Amino acid sequence: GENVEQHPSTLSVQEGDSAVIKCTYSDSASNYFPWYKQELGKRPQLIIDIRSNVGEKKDQRIAVTLNKTAKHFSLHITETQPEDSAVYFCAAKFSGGYNKLIFGAGTRLAVHP
Amino acid sequence: DGGITQSPKYLFRKEGQNVTLSCEQNLNHDAMYWYRQDPGQGLRLIYYSQIVNDFQKGDIAEGYSVSREKKESFPLTVTSAQKNPTAFYLCASSDSGRAGEQFFGPGTRLTVL
Repeated sequence: GENVEQHPSTLSVQEGDSAVIKCTYSDSASNYFPWYKQELGKRPQLIIDIRSNVGEKKDQRIAVTLNKTAKHFSLHITETQPEDSAVYFCAAKFSGGYNKLIFGAGTRLAVHP
Repeated sequence: DGGITQSPKYLFRKEGQNVTLSCEQNLNHDAMYWYRQDPGQGLRLIYYSQIVNDFQKGDIAEGYSVSREKKESFPLTVTSAQKNPTAFYLCASSDSGRAGEQFFGPGTRLTVL
């Protein structure tokens, strides 16, 4: 069935370190993988996404990699800052439904000064 | 943060009451979605609508109902049949021309008294 697993559930790093969050998905036909950042009590905000025709995408300090064969994708944040502290969600577009996204359970990232 | 609005921000319901959550978008998006978020968990799809006058059940539709009479509006009714409605409710919309990318509203926090 449709499923996205996300690890770790919590992540604590020191300011300036890198953070990596990993997700695996079950639908081999999924072709769109967004990452959302949600601050406490706020709406999820799209921070980066990747489509299945590329293996990596970068935007300043964040990058996403995709391994279609293994059905997993990862978010990489370099030079972390305290304002990066939030909950991050990965998602995969389910091929069987129009624009239907299946979300991971989320990773709570804490960046300590 | 414009484009998608939700009201009210906070809503309190007595047991046995139906309540309706509002979602409006001015992005000219065809598709709209309702998600439920519980503490420490990901987003679970309640209902989605690809076009006016059409909607489909998501993964947790029991105890909820929706309508899509206008392109801009997708209200969600939480009925008394929903046994545990206390949660954060998020509405989202997407453009059919950019498959997958969803934009979220600010959310409504519903509490059952």
